[in-house]
Amino acid sequence: ETGVTQTPRHLVMGMTNKKSLKCEQHLGHNAMYWYKQSAKKPLELMFVYSLEERVENNSVPSRFSPECPNSSHLFLHLHTLQPEDSALYLCASSQDPGPGPDTQYFGPGTRLTVL
Amino acid sequence: AQTVTQSQPEMSVQEAETVTLSCTYDTSENNYYLFWYKQPPSRQMILVIRQEAYKQQNATENRFSVNFQKAAKSFSLKISDSQLGDTAMYFCACLSGGSNYKLTFGKGTLLTVNP
Repeated sequence: ETGVTQTPRHLVMGMTNKKSLKCEQHLGHNAMYWYKQSAKKPLELMFVYSLEERVENNSVPSRFSPECPNSSHLFLHLHTLQPEDSALYLCASSQDPGPGPDTQYFGPGTRLTVL
Repeated sequence: AQTVTQSQPEMSVQEAETVTLSCTYDTSENNYYLFWYKQPPSRQMILVIRQEAYKQQNATENRFSVNFQKAAKSFSLKISDSQLGDTAMYFCACLSGGSNYKLTFGKGTLLTVNP
């Protein structure tokens, strides 16, 4: 369970705060993902980076800003969030390209609460 | 667009018994991959089992096996000899061959194993 790590594990922030979520993968993968997990809803893919380039942006509001400085690290910068943004934010990584779509491995998540 | 449906929000099973979790999916792709992930309470999401659509043989991993019915677009998970540690949310997911990244999840089934 240490292949993909996320910090912090819990975060409480006000709507005017700026914070960042961090993800690090130790699996030698070259694709990284941000997902949002809300209660009673399927996981929502937010962003995908492959070889440090953003390849997917699923109509996510601009108050979420991803950054991928290298293939092992992924950040999600947060500013001016809304209470409905409270959720579990999951990071994942995979190897791309492979012979086909490859399995995504998930981190433990950051539980975000926006007051 | 692909969809994944898990029609059982919650299930329970007695320890040592067998339980089957249902999943149906819809995709226009001929080449795709199906996954079951497990998310224990407050713990990391981990891969349980994976099935390539072009393989007719059902995947098995120890006590976990799938019943993959391609024509019916059904992908159920069977857990044999259920253990207390199997208590978790189980998510079915589909990754189409058209995208290396877009993993579509169902809403999940909360499985409780009772002693």
